[in-house]
Amino acid sequence: IAGITQAPTSQILAAGRRMTLRCTQDMRHNAMYWYRQDLGLGLRLIHYSNTAGTTGKGEVPDGYSVSRANTDDFPLTLASAVPSQTSVYFCASSAEAGARTDTQYFGPGTRLTVL
Amino acid sequence: GQNIDQPTEMTATEGAIVQINCTYQTSGFNGLFWYQQHAGEAPTFLSYNVLDGLEEKGRFSSFLSRSKGYSYLLLKELQMKDSASYLCAALDSNYQLIWGAGTKLIIKP
Repeated sequence: IAGITQAPTSQILAAGRRMTLRCTQDMRHNAMYWYRQDLGLGLRLIHYSNTAGTTGKGEVPDGYSVSRANTDDFPLTLASAVPSQTSVYFCASSAEAGARTDTQYFGPGTRLTVL
Repeated sequence: GQNIDQPTEMTATEGAIVQINCTYQTSGFNGLFWYQQHAGEAPTFLSYNVLDGLEEKGRFSSFLSRSKGYSYLLLKELQMKDSASYLCAALDSNYQLIWGAGTKLIIKP
């Protein structure tokens, strides 16, 4: 089934622990994105990757890191989780970054709670 | 700074028409997207406008005025399944999407 998958679906994490959220797409999209969504704030871009091997910082990158070793996978790592990172995390992809009609497609999300 | 404004919440009646407005201020402009997001689910693409005017897709239409920095999403013949949040997002000069906080639409029978 074509699309984007994310794992885990939800997670409760102790503060200070390291956590990696996984994201995989099978649409051969070049661009991938990580967002967090908090009530009343809308989607905020954490990191993005325009193509395999490159990454960039979004609006709220502090405390997060990403890698893009291949086209399909774009994991997001929290090196030392803090309670303010409690959020719903969405991974998205699009065919080509920078294209005028570049539509983003979203994974189902990971609900993360940091205690 | 860059900013997207849309109402926090709207209520409408099943079978009626509702218009959700969005105003944007961005550095440069490369188009405006509307997404639908049901509670607990991921956003899904509804429409994209880059030229002025109205684009119709079934019960949903989207309008853009670039000179006014304004867009609206029009939903006709409302159904209970249209209860969702509607997200407006503008593509700036760097092709970054600037997202609004979303409008929660409540449909009453």
